[in-house]
Amino acid sequence: DTAVSQTPKYLVTQMGNDKSIKCEQNLGHDTMYWYKQDSKKFLKIMFSYNNKELIINETVPNRFSPKSPDKAHLNLHINSLELGDSAVYFCASFAPGEKLFFGSGTQLSVL
Amino acid sequence: AQSVAQPEDQVNVAEGNPLTVKCTYSVSGNPYLFWYVQYPNRGLQFLLKYITGDNLVKGSYGFEAEFNKSQTSFHLKKPSALVSDSALYFCAVRDAGNTPLVFGKGTRLSVIA
Repeated sequence: DTAVSQTPKYLVTQMGNDKSIKCEQNLGHDTMYWYKQDSKKFLKIMFSYNNKELIINETVPNRFSPKSPDKAHLNLHINSLELGDSAVYFCASFAPGEKLFFGSGTQLSVL
Repeated sequence: AQSVAQPEDQVNVAEGNPLTVKCTYSVSGNPYLFWYVQYPNRGLQFLLKYITGDNLVKGSYGFEAEFNKSQTSFHLKKPSALVSDSALYFCAVRDAGNTPLVFGKGTRLSVIA
C-alpha cells in the first residue's frame, strides 16, 4: 500500500485553466504539507495543514487553495493557471518522530 | 528564520570510495537536522535525522551524518559509495518550534563504476 498517494502523476493544461491535484495518506498522521519543486529542483513549502486546519501559508498566490475534507486528504486547487506554475508538486505527511513521507509528485506543465 | 546551504551542486565519486555531501545550516536555538534522498521521478525519502544525542547519526543504506555545532554543519557521509547511491540529496533544518522543514537546494551525487 502506498503511504502517500497523489493523483494525477502528470498534468498538462493550458494557461488560464483551473486544475486540482489530490493527495491521500493512509498513515493516520495529523499534519500534511504541499511542497513545490521548481525546474532547478529547489523545494519550497506552500501549505501546512494539521487535522484539517490551515497552519502555514507561505506567501503563495491566492490562486492556490488547499482543501482538507478530512485529515487523510489534502487536495490542491489552482485557479487561472500561469506558465510559472509549471513545476512538480509534492504532498507530504508528517509522522511523529520527525519524519516526512512524500508522495511521488505531480508534474504540472502549463502551456 | 532558518536556512540551509548545500555548497555543491554536484559531487562525483568513484564506486567504492568514501563520499561526503556538505551541508551547513542557520537556525535560532537547537536545530533539528535531516537528510532526504530523491531518486528520479520519485518523492523524497527520509535518510536520517539529528535532534539530540550523539553527534554521529546513522541512517538508511549505510549513510551517516555528523552534527558539528561549532561549524553549524551536518555533512552526509558513506564509507564506500555504490552506483545505486546516485541521486539528489537534500539537507533540511527546522528549529524546535512548530515550524516546517526548510530544505537546501540539493546536491546531485553521481557514483561512477
